[in-house]
Amino acid sequence: GAGVSQTPSNKVTEKGKYVELRCDPISGHTALYWYRQSLGQGPEFLIYFQGTGAADDSGLPNDRFFAVRPEGSVSTLKIQRTERGDSAVYLCASRAGGASNGELFFGEGSRLTVL
Amino acid sequence: ILNVEQSPQSLHVQEGDSTNFTCSFPSSNFYALHWYRWETAKSPEALFVMTLNGDEKKKGRISATLNTKEGYSYLYIKGSQPEDSATYLCAFNTDKLIFGTGTRLQVFP
Repeated sequence: GAGVSQTPSNKVTEKGKYVELRCDPISGHTALYWYRQSLGQGPEFLIYFQGTGAADDSGLPNDRFFAVRPEGSVSTLKIQRTERGDSAVYLCASRAGGASNGELFFGEGSRLTVL
Repeated sequence: ILNVEQSPQSLHVQEGDSTNFTCSFPSSNFYALHWYRWETAKSPEALFVMTLNGDEKKKGRISATLNTKEGYSYLYIKGSQPEDSATYLCAFNTDKLIFGTGTRLQVFP
């Protein structure tokens, strides 16, 4: 497709379980971002990739969160031992690599609910 | 810690009213300021990317201004329509975007 694709769109899991969220960016976009949006808040930065490497992972809240982008395209956000406080909409966005102030193109998000 | 603030948090207007909201951001090390519109069940969509002090951008009935010296941007909607109902987010651009909490706009017919 032409846009950023995120799967699953909805995920309900139990506390303590492991979850993977996938992002397929716009083809050719080298920069990829993960954000988390909790109720009543704006999107909170988690991690940013430039190509295959994590350029800035300062937003990951703790070591239960990890993200990879092994081939510089699709990215997976992994959450171990999920907690109720992890419930949020996880947004992925991509940006053309040469435009560091260019707009981000967002997916529709993955809504995670931890029971 | 960079702080991006938006006001008001929410706004209810009648169709045809004009409205505006504010985004304030750090005035030092400015690079760019983004505005996004996020409709329910859709993805956030860029409205404007503003880089120059004094910039004014327009898209249809929506316009935005930028003051980098004092660290604020205004978004204006002229003649609001029900389809303008959405959350409007601003974001301060460093190597990543730091978002405000958004202004939730509801336009009643």
